Amino acid sequence: DTGVSQDPRHKITKRGQNVTFRCDPISEHNRLYWYRQTLGQGPEFLTYFQNEAQLEKSRLLSDRFSAERPKGSFSTLEIQRTEQGDSAMYLCASSARTGGYGYTFGSGTRLTVV
Amino acid sequence: GEDVEQSLFLSVREGDSSVINCTYTDSSSTYLYWYKQEPGAGLQLLTYIFSNMDMKQDQRLTVLLNKKDKHLSLRIADTQTGDSAIYFCAEQRNAGNMLTFGGGTRLMVKP
Repeated sequence: DTGVSQDPRHKITKRGQNVTFRCDPISEHNRLYWYRQTLGQGPEFLTYFQNEAQLEKSRLLSDRFSAERPKGSFSTLEIQRTEQGDSAMYLCASSARTGGYGYTFGSGTRLTVV
Repeated sequence: GEDVEQSLFLSVREGDSSVINCTYTDSSSTYLYWYKQEPGAGLQLLTYIFSNMDMKQDQRLTVLLNKKDKHLSLRIADTQTGDSAIYFCAEQRNAGNMLTFGGGTRLMVKP
C-alpha cells in the first residue's frame, strides 16, 4: 500500500460545471476525512466517515458540496455548480484510530474554476 | 484556523536550529501535530505529541508542549536547505476526529 491516493491531481473546470474527486485511503484505515486548503491558509475540515457512515458533515461549505463512501473503502467529493471561490486544494486523509501516526494525508486535488 | 496561531515566516541559516511556535486555544486537545508541506504537495506528517507529554524528540526534531500556556513548538536541529517548506501545527480535540490547523509558518533556509 502506497498511502492515500487522490485523483485527479489537477482539475480545471468552467464555472457552473459539476466536479467529482476520488480518494482511496490506506486499506486498513476505517476513517476517511476531507479538507479544503486555499492559498496561504491551513487546511480546513469539511467532513469525515467512519466506514461508510458520514459522521460529521456540518462543516461542508454549502449544499453544493456532498461526499460519499458507499462501501467503506474509497470516497468521492462532489461540488455542484462550481464557483470561482471553490478554487482550492482538496485534501483527503485517512486514519485507523483517533490520533497519532495513523493520520495520513494524500497529495490533494487542485481545483481551478475559470 | 483562527483557533490555532502561528507566525507567518522564519528565516535561518543552514546548520542553525529553527524554532517554530504555535499557540492553540482548546485545553481538551488530545494530540498536537506538526506537518510539513512543500510547494504543490500534500501534507507530510513530521511528528505528534500526546497531551500528557511535555517533550518528544525524534532525530533532528524536538517538540515541546506547554499545556498551561497552550503553546507548542517544533525545533529542527542542524537545519538544511531541504527543510525549506511550510510547517503547520494542528490540534485534535476530544470531541471528534477533525484536525484544526494553524495558518502555517514558511521556513526559509539560507545556504
